[in-house]
Amino acid sequence: GQNIDQPTEMTATEGAIVQINCTYQTSGFNGLFWYQQHAGEAPTFLSYNVLDGLEEKGRFSSFLSRSKGYSYLLLKELQMKDSASYLCAVRDSNYQLIWGAGTKLIIKP
Amino acid sequence: DAGVTQSPTHLIKTRGQQVTLRCSPKSGHDTVSWYQQALGQGPQFIFQYYEEEERQRGNFPDRFSGHQFPNYSSELNVNALLLGDSALYLCASSWDRYGQETQYFGPGTRLLVL
Repeated sequence: GQNIDQPTEMTATEGAIVQINCTYQTSGFNGLFWYQQHAGEAPTFLSYNVLDGLEEKGRFSSFLSRSKGYSYLLLKELQMKDSASYLCAVRDSNYQLIWGAGTKLIIKP
Repeated sequence: DAGVTQSPTHLIKTRGQQVTLRCSPKSGHDTVSWYQQALGQGPQFIFQYYEEEERQRGNFPDRFSGHQFPNYSSELNVNALLLGDSALYLCASSWDRYGQETQYFGPGTRLLVL
């Protein structure tokens, strides 16, 4: 079966750095996405990785290792508005998105 | 540039009823995907429409059906509603490159089945 694992919840302090990990086992791989979802709202696109390495976009960076089936999302200079769920999704061999359950990130002052 | 829009935003139905949800894709997008998201879970893929046809389908029963119109807008129909159908229904649009393009989500329709 296909499986994506993320921690259920993480807590971090405003101004700090946090790393959210995602491991996956899917039938094929055609890219990995990170989305942010505030409570009661739709997911919004953050990043896309298809090749190994780090993609940096402002305060957010995402890393991929295809051989390890592993990715992480790195958030720097945390702000209170970063409190949200972060969803990892993998596009499989059928180009379907397989989603993790999300990591709820709590930012404390 | 209008993003993805969905209607209605909230809906309450009773078991056994039927419901229709609507989605208009982002300007320039021609592919629409529908997802069901239960509380505290990630989205579950229902199906995807392209060129007015269902191109892919997830593991959902035939009670879930859909349609895409020539203007790329789409409907999701659910028949014989069950309590377990209560969820946030998300529509996502993209520009077809057979799944290569990033999907952008609408605000969702929150369905409550009593």
